[in-house]
Amino acid sequence: GEDVEQSLFLSVREGDSSVINCTYTDSSSTYLYWYKQEPGAGLQLLTYIFSNMDMKQDQRLTVLLNKKDKHLSLRIADTQTGDSAIYFCAESPRDDKIIFGKGTRLHILP
Amino acid sequence: EAGVAQSPRYKIIEKRQSVAFWCNPISGHATLYWYQQILGQGPKLLIQFQNNGVVDDSQLPKDRFSAERLKGVDSTLKIQPAKLEDSAVYLCASSDRQGAPEAFFGQGTRLTVV
Repeated sequence: GEDVEQSLFLSVREGDSSVINCTYTDSSSTYLYWYKQEPGAGLQLLTYIFSNMDMKQDQRLTVLLNKKDKHLSLRIADTQTGDSAIYFCAESPRDDKIIFGKGTRLHILP
Repeated sequence: EAGVAQSPRYKIIEKRQSVAFWCNPISGHATLYWYQQILGQGPKLLIQFQNNGVVDDSQLPKDRFSAERLKGVDSTLKIQPAKLEDSAVYLCASSDRQGAPEAFFGQGTRLTVV
């Protein structure tokens, strides 16, 4: 089956690192994604990782993939107030289908 | 490059009425998606088109929802008749199937059924 699970809330102090975790079920997923949604806006792709990679780094973002455990994480270094949003993990099992989790709301503490 | 355009942005209707949403994907994008996002939840895929053919509509409530993509470009999603539980944001996205299937999203149509 296709299912993506992630925790609903995360609070982090400004300047600290945020780590958002996700598990997925379809081992055939070729790509895994992190999308960001700010209030009243559509979804914006932050980054993605190909399934044969373990890690991908892009400026303040680090994606880690444990394919054996079907676990994906997003680390945001030096978290800023502008990072406050809902972060969605998503998998792409086949035919460009994209399945989303329920989203993790990241709250930044001053 | 123009993004995915959706209209209207907001719609309020009474239950049992009909409503239609329109989406214009990014030029040249073969894949078009309609998602339903209920408040506090993640987007749920309703239907996926590849050009003007349906790839996946397994989660589309076909007794009341219909969608078409004539000529493989614009798409409309219709609800008839609407129920209270259809209140949600309806998101359209498109991708070009080049490399990673990155989906580009429109701003969505917020539907309120009263």
